[in-house]
Amino acid sequence: GDSVTQMEGPVTLSEEACLTINCTYTATGYPSLFWYVQYPGEGLQLLLKATKADDKGSNKGFEATYRKETTSFHLEKGSVQVSDSAVYFCALRKYGGATNKLIFGTGTLLAVQP
Amino acid sequence: DAGVTQSPTHLIKTRGQQVTLRCSPKSGHDTVSWYQQALGQGPQFIFQYYEEEERQRGNFPDRFSGHQFPNYSSELNVNALLLGDSALYLCASSLAGAGRTDTQYFGPGTRLTVL
Repeated sequence: GDSVTQMEGPVTLSEEACLTINCTYTATGYPSLFWYVQYPGEGLQLLLKATKADDKGSNKGFEATYRKETTSFHLEKGSVQVSDSAVYFCALRKYGGATNKLIFGTGTLLAVQP
Repeated sequence: DAGVTQSPTHLIKTRGQQVTLRCSPKSGHDTVSWYQQALGQGPQFIFQYYEEEERQRGNFPDRFSGHQFPNYSSELNVNALLLGDSALYLCASSLAGAGRTDTQYFGPGTRLTVL
C-alpha cells in the first residue's frame, strides 16, 4: 500500500546550520506531497506542498522539490533558527475515487540549539 | 477568518466509558476528516465526512463513529474506551471539489487520556 518514510530523529543542529530532512514515498498514481509542522502541544500546521512532479514548495525559508524519479520530497532550509524546533511530518495524498486521505510518515523531531 | 476549532482541549476518561469530540471546520470548507495521533507517531486516518455521510474510513473498529451536521461541523464518538485509545485526536477540514489544489487544515486537537 501507499506509505511515507522519513529519516529518524532527533535531528540536533546549531542555529544558522543547514537542514535536510529526508522523505521518500511509495504510491501508485500521482500523489500530492506535503510537509506539516507540529510545535510542542499544538496541532499540525501546513508548511508547504507540491502537487506534481518537479514542483517546488516553499514557505518561511523552507523548501522541498517533488522528485518523481527518486520518489522523494526532502525538506531543506539554509539557516535554521531556534524557533524552528518542532516535529516535521511528510505526507502524501491521492485524489479521485474514494481515496482522499493523508498518509503521514512517523515524523522527525528537530531541535535547534542557540 | 476562523480556522479549524476543536473541543474540548483535554479530556480524561476511564476504560469502558464513551466520549464525544467536536470539530468546526474552517470557514468555507465542507469536508471533515478525523485522525488519531498516538504519542511519538504520525497521525492515522480514522474517517472522513462529506455531505453528512461517512465517505471513507481507515482501519479503525466500529467503536469509532462520527457524524456531520448541516453546518459542516462534526463529532467523533468513541465507545467502550480502551487504554490504547489515549491519543491526540485531530480534525482537519478541506473543500471537496477543489481537486489537486485542495489542502487539509488541522485544528489544535483534543488530548484524550484513558485511565
